[in-house]
Amino acid sequence: GQQVQQSPSSLVLQEGENAELQCNFSSTATQLQWFYQSPGGSLVSLLSNPSGTKHTGRLTSTTVTKERRSSLHISSSQTTDSGTYLCAIDRNTGYQNFYFGKGTSLTVIP
Amino acid sequence: EAAVTQSPRSKVAVTGGKVTLSCHQTNNHDYMYWYRQDTGHGLRLIHYSYVADSTEKGDIPDGYKASRPSQENFSLILELASLSQTAVYFCASSVHSAETLYFGSGTRLTVL
Repeated sequence: GQQVQQSPSSLVLQEGENAELQCNFSSTATQLQWFYQSPGGSLVSLLSNPSGTKHTGRLTSTTVTKERRSSLHISSSQTTDSGTYLCAIDRNTGYQNFYFGKGTSLTVIP
Repeated sequence: EAAVTQSPRSKVAVTGGKVTLSCHQTNNHDYMYWYRQDTGHGLRLIHYSYVADSTEKGDIPDGYKASRPSQENFSLILELASLSQTAVYFCASSVHSAETLYFGSGTRLTVL
């Protein structure tokens, strides 16, 4: 079955509104990362947050490991935030690498 | 900042032909990965490597080979390209497993 589920699948916001993206995972994860994929396709890591709360700029991620969920909060959204946000967890077996969710597509309109 | 360079940026191949996608990283990372992205499937791991001259299978290795001749270079080889291999391919690297991934800009492969 699917290891990582993200919701919502898409989201449209007015500029200035806040966004809340969810990530639920079905197996224990010792590492969790959020990625941003631009409309042009490039992928960058936003932050790593296996547990607790982390802030970077307008982004806040909260991960509750025992409940196997993580959220990404984007405050005061800007049009340049438009793109797809991907959540990924490590496999926690052997040589670890990541399972990715299908992402949340965010559109911020002016 | 980590630099991962993929070539070509896009490619059109014929069914049954051989395709080689190349990836080069300049940051001394041990781990390199090839992912495939399709609409509806997200990113899926094809092959990865944690040391030169060694490669490991990921989740969807069938129809693909990988080669890591040096720490900096990691290639993905489609010996007999098929229509179902049309996708965007991303190379990534990391200092160690489960550390931050640095992605290349992707290669859009179309098999006709």
